[in-house]
Amino acid sequence: AQSVAQPEDQVNVAEGNPLTVKCTYSVSGNPYLFWYVQYPNRGLQFLLKYITGDNLVKGSYGFEAEFNKSQTSFHLKKPSALVSDSALYFCAVREIGGADGLTFGKGTHLIIQP
Amino acid sequence: GAVVSQHPSWVICKSGTSVKIECRSLDFQATTMFWYRQFPKQSLMLMATSNEGSKATYEQGVEKDKFLINHASLTLSTLTVTSAHPEDSSFYICSARHGYRGHTGELFFGEGSRLTVL
Repeated sequence: AQSVAQPEDQVNVAEGNPLTVKCTYSVSGNPYLFWYVQYPNRGLQFLLKYITGDNLVKGSYGFEAEFNKSQTSFHLKKPSALVSDSALYFCAVREIGGADGLTFGKGTHLIIQP
Repeated sequence: GAVVSQHPSWVICKSGTSVKIECRSLDFQATTMFWYRQFPKQSLMLMATSNEGSKATYEQGVEKDKFLINHASLTLSTLTVTSAHPEDSSFYICSARHGYRGHTGELFFGEGSRLTVL
């Protein structure tokens, strides 16, 4: 079975500072990895994905994530946080050749303080 | 990116009534759609996978007779909560995969539907 762990319920960062939201995963084979963002009472918006190739993936709104196979991690990063980045972030995994649906982590609240 | 429209955004109903939620892919065809349920401060729970022209596949613990899913066309899937009760109150989110089955494409999500059962 596949699973995703987001160890932090909440991350607080000052505006302008770099941010990191952690994610580790577990699959039997190789993963497809995704990050989504959710604003209050809204659906999820796709940020970025790792399928294959370069371990550093760049996505929307200046976010990027680095795939680390040895550590089974896919941490989300941004060099300089904005107050508007405050939202709920979900990491998700899908095993290559596995079931169609995504397995989501529990989510991490990112709070950017002015 | 691809757009998924979900309607209604908010619905309040009396206990015992049925509520239908629609999920449409506006600019692409979606052979597979997914229905999720989200409780406050919790992650998304996959309820079922909806395949166009065939029966939905429900996750363990989800009552298929209570949560009826119909995927009659390549752009529309519906979730009907039958005989709703207060414990069914939740945020329901649909998503659609852009591309054919097995493709690596990401899911695109609707805006969600907040159901409140009185």
